[in-house]
Amino acid sequence: GENVEQHPSTLSVQEGDSAVIKCTYSDSASNYFPWYKQELGKRPQLIIDIRSNVGEKKDQRIAVTLNKTAKHFSLHITETQPEDSAVYFCAATTYTGGFKTIFGAGTRLFVKA
Amino acid sequence: GAVVSQHPSWVICKSGTSVKIECRSLDFQATTMFWYRQFPKQSLMLMATSNEGSKATYEQGVEKDKFLINHASLTLSTLTVTSAHPEDSSFYICSARDGSWGSTEAFFGQGTRLTVV
Repeated sequence: GENVEQHPSTLSVQEGDSAVIKCTYSDSASNYFPWYKQELGKRPQLIIDIRSNVGEKKDQRIAVTLNKTAKHFSLHITETQPEDSAVYFCAATTYTGGFKTIFGAGTRLFVKA
Repeated sequence: GAVVSQHPSWVICKSGTSVKIECRSLDFQATTMFWYRQFPKQSLMLMATSNEGSKATYEQGVEKDKFLINHASLTLSTLTVTSAHPEDSSFYICSARDGSWGSTEAFFGQGTRLTVV
């Protein structure tokens, strides 16, 4: 079935450094790739997304890249801050008669002050 | 952004009883809602897709008679955990997308922490 793999599971960086999280997906029909940030006990919040007709998207300190051929997409956070500490989930959405979103396993990001 | 409200936020119930969780889209119409289950420190596992006015589509391994889903209106979907057991204890979270493909973002409810004792 459809699968989204996410790495690393845990990432610890120093404040100010960059953080990169990588995902791969299996369903070539996937065409929408959101990234969510989830703080402890709270709902996931969309932080950035990218569609399959775009290779890169940036929003301030956050950027996402997509390689459709390789079925890879990545989240890049620059100038990390302690408040960036959270769990980040990538996801791949497919529309085949109805929407279906599969999530990666999540990356726990720690930003040390 | 759009608001999805989930109720209750947490519930404790006895084994054998049933629990109903509500998911409401407050400012948009959601033809499709999704129910996820999340274990501690794990990802969101899609349980089922709830379609307004029709039967839900369940993922492989999810018992439809155990997790009853009803999507009676464009703003409300409910998940009922029937004859709950301790292994059903988990964080259940819904998401909703409004009715057009142009709006691909899904908005999450705040989740329901279910504890079965």
